[in-house]
Amino acid sequence: DTAVSQTPKYLVTQMGNDKSIKCEQNLGHDTMYWYKQDSKKFLKIMFSYNNKELIINETVPNRFSPKSPDKAHLNLHINSLELGDSAVYFCASSSNRARLSEAFFGQGTRLTVV
Amino acid sequence: KQEVTQIPAALSVPEGENLVLNCSFTDSAIYNLQWFRQDPGKGLTSLLLIQSSQREQTSGRLNASLDKSSGRSTLYIAASQPGDSATYLCALYNQGGKLIFGQGTELSVKP
Repeated sequence: DTAVSQTPKYLVTQMGNDKSIKCEQNLGHDTMYWYKQDSKKFLKIMFSYNNKELIINETVPNRFSPKSPDKAHLNLHINSLELGDSAVYFCASSSNRARLSEAFFGQGTRLTVV
Repeated sequence: KQEVTQIPAALSVPEGENLVLNCSFTDSAIYNLQWFRQDPGKGLTSLLLIQSSQREQTSGRLNASLDKSSGRSTLYIAASQPGDSATYLCALYNQGGKLIFGQGTELSVKP
């Protein structure tokens, strides 16, 4: 069973559209994250949720809105997509004692805005 | 502000060689440090996790060390194989609650 799964794996869409990426983890973790990997392969945190509560919100355009319906799911909705949003988006999770536990990552969603 | 740097950015070695990847950080107030592997077009695979109170961790041919006082971690790979070719990332969990990544070292092991 996949520990952290994201859908879709690939997403190609036009500028101005709204799209969502879904993430689910079956590890029983309480903390989930969204990361963005840019064209230079650098990974930067966007959001973090702990038990459905937003705890980290980096300087991200408000077109990006995360939602956590329960602690096993963290979705990312993006409004009015721009060319610069093209990247690979990774979901990750770690245990409630997040500072002491391993982080597990999904396979990524490659978003291409044309 | 915590900064994580990995040197070198790219490394090419012949098969069988032992090698060391370096990771340095500016703020020693960390909770743990984790090494990941990323294959092209794939997600991140966790290799080793070192808690802040630990000095090293070993898994098979991999050994990771942590020296908080000097702000350094190393990943030692013994008897490298072509299958080890990937990008290796170090990331640390800081007191701000974030997992902060270095830029990665792209490793190529030639048969």
